[in-house]
Amino acid sequence: DAGVTQSPTHLIKTRGQQVTLRCSPKSGHDTVSWYQQALGQGPQFIFQYYEEEERQRGNFPDRFSGHQFPNYSSELNVNALLLGDSALYLCASSWGPQETQYFGPGTRLLVL
Amino acid sequence: AQKVTQAQTEISVVEKEDVTLDCVYETRDTTYYLFWYKQPPSGELVFLIRRNSFDEQNEISGRYSWNFQKSTSSFNFTITASQVVDSAVYFCALSEYIMEYGNKLVFGAGTILRVKS
Repeated sequence: DAGVTQSPTHLIKTRGQQVTLRCSPKSGHDTVSWYQQALGQGPQFIFQYYEEEERQRGNFPDRFSGHQFPNYSSELNVNALLLGDSALYLCASSWGPQETQYFGPGTRLLVL
Repeated sequence: AQKVTQAQTEISVVEKEDVTLDCVYETRDTTYYLFWYKQPPSGELVFLIRRNSFDEQNEISGRYSWNFQKSTSSFNFTITASQVVDSAVYFCALSEYIMEYGNKLVFGAGTILRVKS
């Protein structure tokens, strides 16, 4: 039973660039949530997708956008990258929006 | 607004000692969930437990136990006879139950646990 997978594992970008991170949910899960974890801090909720719609959003600017595909996989896009966007980006999946979230290994993004 | 406080930034213990990680939460909702996750150096958050606000029974799973007290808004986690493999960052998290809006986890800052042999 495959768990949550994310790609790429590491990424280096420069300020102003755009980045796309990808997530495949755990088998049987239909809901995907994204979190940003800065070094030494707890994860911060970005948004949650269910039925291909954004259901809830945290306090992140519009530079952060996402998408969910019919196979339940998801992408996180960040435009106009800032140095402060450097973080570990975690994807979590669940069987429905209210159920326990299981996390993937994350994508480490470094913005130079 | 929801808030989770983990006052212990870092704890160091010697193997086989018992250790308790504290978690205090704030919410105005009557229906909510509490969680503990473990984050080893690899970075992946590992789910440990979920407890709903109507179930105050303590839970034990092997060497792990959890004490939920609504009166003090606390959800503490105890590891009995700690082992080196327990070394990790532990996060307490809270979510509201809002059917139409999904499930947003609010995390504490985490507690670094170092278990020395």
